[in-house]
Amino acid sequence: SQTIHQWPATLVQPVGSPLSLECTVEGTSNPNLYWYRQAAGRGLQLLFYSVGIGQISSEVPQNLSASRPQDRQFILSSKKLLLSDSGFYLCAWSILAGATGELFFGEGSRLTVL
Amino acid sequence: KNEVEQSPQNLTAQEGEFITINCSYSVGISALHWLQQHPGGGIVSLFMLSSGKKKHGRLIATINIQEKHSSLHITASHPRDSAVYICAVREETSGSRLTFGEGTQLTVNP
Repeated sequence: SQTIHQWPATLVQPVGSPLSLECTVEGTSNPNLYWYRQAAGRGLQLLFYSVGIGQISSEVPQNLSASRPQDRQFILSSKKLLLSDSGFYLCAWSILAGATGELFFGEGSRLTVL
Repeated sequence: KNEVEQSPQNLTAQEGEFITINCSYSVGISALHWLQQHPGGGIVSLFMLSSGKKKHGRLIATINIQEKHSSLHITASHPRDSAVYICAVREETSGSRLTFGEGTQLTVNP
């Protein structure tokens, strides 16, 4: 069966510090991978998506970046965090071709930047 | 105006009530998702629809492609149904992208 792991679950970081959130998927190959952010009281916002290794599409300008070094690994990074980066970050995956296209989410990472 | 609008934003019901959450969208879509977000933040996919109606337990989701509208119904609601329900659409021209509504906070009181 397919599973998705995301860590860390919670993170408190000072302004200006780096960030690395990691997401791995098991039980499937060549998934589409996504990073979403949910700010307090707001809807989900797509940050990045990837359809393959090394292929990253950015949806909104920001000081975050994403990388996909392996087929089932998706990393969200920042060199210097801003207060506005606080939020709940969710990794997700889906398979579109030949299947349902259903979306599966990780448990989320709650980031507080102080 | 958001491309995906949900109503109501907040909904409080008594246990046992029939609940309807609505989602309207303004773009051509290839699929619509209903998601459930629990208080801890985890999100679970409830349904993915491209036409008609789907049922899973006490949950029913319908979609009318011509009217660009979908509804999520919960029969015999229970306090454990309390969560945020999110509608998301996969636009025809966007490939992998989803556009999300802002969610409906449902609280079911015992």
